[in-house]
Amino acid sequence: EVQLVESGGGLVQPGGSLRLSCAASGFTVSSNFMSWVRQAPGKGLEWVSVVYSDGRMYYADSVKGRFTGSRHTSENTLYLQMDSLRTEDTAMYHCAREGPGNGVDIWGQGTMVTVSS
Amino acid sequence: DIQMTQSPSSLSASVGDRVTITCRASQGISSYLNWYQQKSGRVPKLLIYAASSLQGGVPSRFSGSGSGTDFTLTISSLQPEDFATYYCQHTYNTRAFGQGTKVEIK
Repeated sequence: EVQLVESGGGLVQPGGSLRLSCAASGFTVSSNFMSWVRQAPGKGLEWVSVVYSDGRMYYADSVKGRFTGSRHTSENTLYLQMDSLRTEDTAMYHCAREGPGNGVDIWGQGTMVTVSS
Repeated sequence: DIQMTQSPSSLSASVGDRVTITCRASQGISSYLNWYQQKSGRVPKLLIYAASSLQGGVPSRFSGSGSGTDFTLTISSLQPEDFATYYCQHTYNTRAFGQGTKVEIK
């Protein structure tokens, strides 16, 4: 079965760090474009980062310099290292596979990140 | 970065109505435009990719058009299961979503 399962979310104080993981099954992470998308409670979708199959990575301006994406080929897992967290980073974080036309055709169920003192 | 603006932010419609949602990019994005449907408590569902291509399994009452900066999602005959929030997304270089359009029952 093709699926994505995120983990690593939780409660962290402002200025703190978290590392999110996204384990893929049924397909190869490194052969696809993979994104992180977040959604704050009651708000819209916000794109966070993308890693292309050739390894290039891009970030939203709101997280650039604070978040770092990576992937582990043998584990077939995507990671998001989040540093210098702010209250406005509070959201459900989804990893996502981009399919035809770079539309997201597979979504993980998400992991909740809460930044609060 | 490219900004995406959807209109309207919300609309009320009846079953059977034709519904049109527009999305405008702050600069040209060719056809790198996708549309998603999100229901409460669920992950988004891809409806349209590359501006006008229907994702597999999506009903044909959904259609997309446009290129450059102006795009449209049309639901030809609104069904009860279509009441949801709709988002556009560009994938021209980085990515960005529009702010969403909530389709409610009139």
